[in-house]
Parts: sequence; C-alpha cells; structure tokens
Amino acid sequence: NAGVTQTPKFRVLKTGQSMTLLCAQDMNHEYMYWYRQDPGMGLRLIHYSVGEGTTAKGEVPDGYNVSRLKKQNFLLGLESAAPSQTSVYFCASSWGEVQPQHFGDGTRLSIL
Amino acid sequence: KNEVEQSPQNLTAQEGEFITINCSYSVGISALHWLQQHPGGGIVSLFMLSSGKKKHGRLIATINIQEKHSSLHITASHPRDSAVYICAVGFGGSQGNLIFGKGTKLSVKP
Repeated sequence: NAGVTQTPKFRVLKTGQSMTLLCAQDMNHEYMYWYRQDPGMGLRLIHYSVGEGTTAKGEVPDGYNVSRLKKQNFLLGLESAAPSQTSVYFCASSWGEVQPQHFGDGTRLSIL
Repeated sequence: KNEVEQSPQNLTAQEGEFITINCSYSVGISALHWLQQHPGGGIVSLFMLSSGKKKHGRLIATINIQEKHSSLHITASHPRDSAVYICAVGFGGSQGNLIFGKGTKLSVKP
C-alpha cells in the first residue's frame, strides 16, 4: 500500500537549473495537487489536476509547470530554478472535490 | 477571499491534559479538514466534516456552520500527539482546492 509517493525526497539545485518532481499514486484517484510549504505560511496550492490530461493553476503557479499524462502520475517542473523556490513540496491526491486528500512525504528542495 | 485562522499558534501541554485547537473561517464552506503533520514532515488527514461532530479514538472534531468555527479536541493527551495540526477549508466549485491555516504546533510533555 504505497499511497502517494514523491521522488526525490531531497534535492539541491543551483539557480537556473531545471528539474522535475514526480508524484505517483496507486489509489486510482482523479484529483491530484502540488503544494509548497514555507515557514510561517500555510500550504499553498501551485497547480492541480482533476483528471488525466487536465491541469489548472492554483494560488502560486508562476515559475512552475505540470503535466498529467497518466492518471497515476503528476509531474511538477521547474524550468529555471530561483532561490525563492526553496521550499518543501507536497503532492496530494483525492477521489473527488469534497474528499479527504492523501499526502506524500514531501520533497525538500534547496536552490542556491 | 476565504481566510482561515487557527489558535493558538503554539501549545504546550502535560501528558494527560485535554487539548483544544480552534479554527475560524470567513465565508461559507463545503467541508472543513483537520490534518496532522508529524515532526518528520508527513501529513495525514484526520477528519473531514461539514456539520456536527466526528470522533476517532481520542480525537474529536466539531464544527459550527453558523459561527464559522471548528474545534479539534484531544483527550488524555500523550507525547506521541506532538505534531502540527492544520485546519483547511474547501468550498463548492473549487475543484478540491483547499485554503489552509498556518497550523498549531502542539508539544505534549511527559
């Protein structure tokens, strides 16, 4: 019972580098979300998807792109990393709009 | 815009104490969620409720829709309850988007 798996768990990047964070869920959930968590702030939604092939912007989408080519996977990309994107990133999934969300363990990303 | 306010921000209790964490929000919602974030960082959903009261073990969550307020209670607290407790609200038509509070950091001393 893996649930929601995030890869990698830790990463250090230099400014301007690119990378992709992978989120995989094995619960056949339709909805998937990417959040960032910063000190002193609540979780903030970056992008989300309500089904395979769909994506939408959340509260803080700038500097990020996403793709949901397969139902079980939701990828978060940083094309040109900036120090302001240093954060802990969480992926979550749910059955539907008003359902509990299941979270991954997070990815700690530092950008120097 | 819906704001979610939690109180207190930090809470220290002795083992065995009854604990209450509060959450207030500003507009109508479809559901309110209580989440627990462990010291290691993982986040677990504890409750989702839209009315009344739910209980799971030593945890009780209540919501008052008219007053736009929810409480999370922990009875007979234990050091393993030490965590950050997060309140989040969703509203109709939001496609599952949640607005999160900043969390309440609970430390239970033995």
